[in-house]
Amino acid sequence: GQNIDQPTEMTATEGAIVQINCTYQTSGFNGLFWYQQHAGEAPTFLSYNVLDGLEEKGRFSSFLSRSKGYSYLLLKELQMKDSASYLCAGNTPPDKLIFGTGTRLQVFP
Amino acid sequence: DSGVTQTPKHLITATGQRVTLRCSPRSGDLSVYWYQQSLDQGLQFLIQYYNGEERAKGNILERFSAQQFPDLHSELNLSSLELGDSALYFCASSSHRGPSDTQYFGPGTRLTVL
Repeated sequence: GQNIDQPTEMTATEGAIVQINCTYQTSGFNGLFWYQQHAGEAPTFLSYNVLDGLEEKGRFSSFLSRSKGYSYLLLKELQMKDSASYLCAGNTPPDKLIFGTGTRLQVFP
Repeated sequence: DSGVTQTPKHLITATGQRVTLRCSPRSGDLSVYWYQQSLDQGLQFLIQYYNGEERAKGNILERFSAQQFPDLHSELNLSSLELGDSALYFCASSSHRGPSDTQYFGPGTRLTVL
């Protein structure tokens, strides 16, 4: 089957670091995407991992372990504008994205 | 701005009616995807078109249909609307060069069925 799990909500403080986990039970995922979505707006692409390991992009990093069916998104130096939902999505052939329900992150001053 | 456009931005209609949502992909993108996002729900994949042909189907109801035209824009038709169809409908596009292609999302159409 294809199932993606992420925590529903997380809170953190401005300037801190937060890690959002995503676990998946599926076969045939080509890779894992992370998207950011502010309420009522379109999801915007953050990162894509196809190989195991850490991909770093400025304040955001994403990690993938295919053998463990596990990924995380790491956000550093949190800013108020980072308050949003973070969506983990698996890419299945031919090009379907299977999304988790998203993690709503609230950043407090 | 992702380069994907969707119209209309908002749509309010009554149960039993039929509506058409329109999407124009980014310049050069051949693939168009449709998603439904209900309140507090994740994005649900509906259907994908590639260069005019249906390529993948998700949890799309029989009351819903879509097509992609020669100029690559796409339309999603929703008929016999029910209250539960109220949702945000997103279109996304990708260049379809490979499985790692990023999907870029349009601003969405918010459909309210009264």
